[in-house]
Amino acid sequence: GQQLNQSPQSMFIQEGEDVSMNCTSSSIFNTWLWYKQDPGEGPVLLIALYKAGELTSNGRLTAQFGITRKDSFLNISASIPSDVGIYFCAVPYGQNFVFGPGTRLSVLP
Amino acid sequence: NAGVTQTPKFQVLKTGQSMTLQCAQDMNHNSMYWYRQDPGMGLRLIYYSASEGTTDKGEVPNGYNVSRLNKREFSLRLESAAPSQTSVYFCASREPHLGTKLFFGSGTQLSVL
Repeated sequence: GQQLNQSPQSMFIQEGEDVSMNCTSSSIFNTWLWYKQDPGEGPVLLIALYKAGELTSNGRLTAQFGITRKDSFLNISASIPSDVGIYFCAVPYGQNFVFGPGTRLSVLP
Repeated sequence: NAGVTQTPKFQVLKTGQSMTLQCAQDMNHNSMYWYRQDPGMGLRLIYYSASEGTTDKGEVPNGYNVSRLNKREFSLRLESAAPSQTSVYFCASREPHLGTKLFFGSGTQLSVL
């Protein structure tokens, strides 16, 4: 089946640092989604991308839809403690969605 | 606006016991989903329902049954719980017309001893 790869698997950063993570696939997709899961909660949609090359921001978060349509990137600027959690990429796939394994972010004060 | 509501939040079962996880959404969505989340495995689809009255197996359906009671409610049943079913379970609903957005409940943490 379809598979998404995310890197890094986990990262520890200092408060105030910028963060970059990415998601790749061997297949082309027309929509890329980024979710965040806070500890003990369900994933929440952060950003949806619909066009190759598109750059979309949501506050300190910026996501890009890769030109090849096989990847997407998420950047977080000036990280704060509440950025802690797991970040998932996902793509719609017919009736279902394919999710990446997630990037676990820890922010040290 | 409650969105997707799941109950219970936590549950501990003994091997062989049964239980039903409840899920309801108030967004008038047609499609609803049950996922399980295990460390290192991401989110895996158990069952989904494209509309009231229809259900389909996902990636990991063995040991589970579902019921789409009406448009709002989609329940997941474990008939005879096994330790391998220890996991966090999430219900989700999808915006209409195969929309791109999936909305999740807050999850049920299930332990089977």
